[in-house]
Amino acid sequence: AQSVTQLDSQVPVFEEAPVELRCNYSSSVSVYLFWYVQYPNQGLQLLLKYLSGSTLVESINGFEAEFNKSQTSFHLRKPSVHISDTAEYFCAVSESGGSYIPTFGRGTSLIVHP
Amino acid sequence: NAGVTQTPKFRVLKTGQSMTLLCAQDMNHEYMYWYRQDPGMGLRLIHYSVGEGTTAKGEVPDGYNVSRLKKQNFLLGLESAAPSQTSVYFCASSYPTASGRHNEQFFGPGTRLTVL
Repeated sequence: AQSVTQLDSQVPVFEEAPVELRCNYSSSVSVYLFWYVQYPNQGLQLLLKYLSGSTLVESINGFEAEFNKSQTSFHLRKPSVHISDTAEYFCAVSESGGSYIPTFGRGTSLIVHP
Repeated sequence: NAGVTQTPKFRVLKTGQSMTLLCAQDMNHEYMYWYRQDPGMGLRLIHYSVGEGTTAKGEVPDGYNVSRLKKQNFLLGLESAAPSQTSVYFCASSYPTASGRHNEQFFGPGTRLTVL
């Protein structure tokens, strides 16, 4: 059965510094991987996704994530964060077996300080 | 397009009262879901639907019922509310990939429910 672990519940960082939010999953079959962002008092919105093809995927606002099958990871990175990136970030995995319903991690709170 | 909408946005109930949360989507999506979000717990799936007239249990279905009589609507009911059901509830919708798997989800703005 699939599971998702977000290793950090909170990541504080200064503005313009790089950041990495870690996500590891457990699955023995092929997977789809997603990162969602949730701004305060809002619903989740898709940041980026990996379905197939290139293992490096990018979002329109400078985030990127790399699918690493051997390490079963899908870490999210940004080379230079802004105050506006302060939000909760969720990793999700959907595997090819079973019901396919995506499983979410518990979330990582990114706090960007000026 | 409005995307996914949820009604109401806020609600306070007393223990034992009942209520229905309404989710509507205008994207013609096949799949719909109800989640609850609690601090430190992430999102937990309550029930989901893969098509009109079909529903299935998720991770935490006890105390909730759902119905999907129309493709665009997914209702979540609490028959006898309990304080443990105090949470933020999110509805989402999705569409299948070419292989029939669940694709990215589109979320509503949430309903904040307090049960006293």
